[in-house]
Amino acid sequence: EVQLVESGGGLVKPGGSLRLSCAASGFIFSSFSMNWVRQAPGKGLEWVASISSGSNYIYYADSVKGRFTISRDNAKNSLYLQMNSLRVEDTAVYSCARDPPRGSYDYWGQGTLVTVSS
Amino acid sequence: DIQMTQSPSSLSASVGDRVTITCRASQGIRNDLGWYQQKPGKAPKRLIYAASSLQSGVPSRFSGSGSGTEFTLTISSLQPEDFATYYCLQDNDYPHTFGQGTKLEIK
Repeated sequence: EVQLVESGGGLVKPGGSLRLSCAASGFIFSSFSMNWVRQAPGKGLEWVASISSGSNYIYYADSVKGRFTISRDNAKNSLYLQMNSLRVEDTAVYSCARDPPRGSYDYWGQGTLVTVSS
Repeated sequence: DIQMTQSPSSLSASVGDRVTITCRASQGIRNDLGWYQQKPGKAPKRLIYAASSLQSGVPSRFSGSGSGTEFTLTISSLQPEDFATYYCLQDNDYPHTFGQGTKLEIK
């Protein structure tokens, strides 16, 4: 059974940092591109970042470029999101999602809440 | 960037109704589009991928169509469990973009 479990969320002050993790199981993690998606309270879904299976290709939304870093450790079946210089508008539930070779994201985690507030 | 315009933003319907939700892409995306259902506090669930392929385990009352710039999700006969928010997602090019969502409510 495919499972994606996020962790690392919490309350942080503006300007602070946080590192999110996504633990993957039930599939060959090293064969899939992965994504981070966020959803602000009461709002829609927003793509944040993507990383290819071998970390060769990395993409970011303009809203987080230069502040967030996506990475992965295929030996640990884990995906990460390092978030620096956090802003109030980064407050959201952050979810990881698997990106299959054909078709759009097929499995999602339940998400971890990041709250940026003074 | 490719913009996805989803309509309507909200929809009131009754059990048994047929409903259609539309997503329009600002440029051609072939069939690189998925449809998702999200219920409060839950992760999105993929219903349709590659514009018209039904996700395994999803009831056949859900169907998708379209290619290029215009796409539709149709629910042929609404069931009580279908009242939720629906999103489209294009993964043809980066940045990947979602539609604004359609909240489907009980009339």
